[in-house]
Amino acid sequence: SAVISQKPSRDICQRGTSLTIQCQVDSQVTMMFWYRQQPGQSLTLIATANQGSEATYESGFVIDKFPISRPNLTFSTLTVSNMSPEDSSIYLCSVDPGGINEQFFGPGTRLTVL
Amino acid sequence: GQNIDQPTEMTATEGAIVQINCTYQTSGFNGLFWYQQHAGEAPTFLSYNVLDGLEEKGRFSSFLSRSKGYSYLLLKELQMKDSASYLCAVRDWGYGGATNKLIFGTGTLLAVQP
Repeated sequence: SAVISQKPSRDICQRGTSLTIQCQVDSQVTMMFWYRQQPGQSLTLIATANQGSEATYESGFVIDKFPISRPNLTFSTLTVSNMSPEDSSIYLCSVDPGGINEQFFGPGTRLTVL
Repeated sequence: GQNIDQPTEMTATEGAIVQINCTYQTSGFNGLFWYQQHAGEAPTFLSYNVLDGLEEKGRFSSFLSRSKGYSYLLLKELQMKDSASYLCAVRDWGYGGATNKLIFGTGTLLAVQP
């Protein structure tokens, strides 16, 4: 299994600012993913952040808006840039440890943009 | 493209059985997952199917038909604590088999009533 922590757990931000969310895993994993979950909705994949390669973004998400870092096998950051109220959401990181058919999720970061 | 559909809401009675359906269309199928998500919490893994047939795990069972692009989650002996969202997700190889990303369905909000 994998235990994942995220910081901050929640934040309230002003329009036009940026927030960096951290994701820490208790074991080394290659595959890491960032999701967004808007109120009352399911999870939408933002990007795949595998260590050793550039992040791969899904349709509708761009690096300028959601830059991602993946400096090592246990850590990643997602930045939500130039925020607007539409960015208010829960942001979750998840990992696939490989070799087992399960992905694990962090507790999420609840972001409110005013 | 990718398309994963589930009913938006369902209601069932404590002690009963409920079946939550999921239909999918994806380009690189590599398994189907069911997750449970209680309000304000991260998704937790319930089941995984990659071959056709039924997988049983306690009160929960999951079925897959790859030819029909169809899965269901069966919950038996419903308890009040089973009130949650149930998320169907397809694992996608991605381009060149480079990823194990999960694409989530719309989610089904299950309400268990006394």
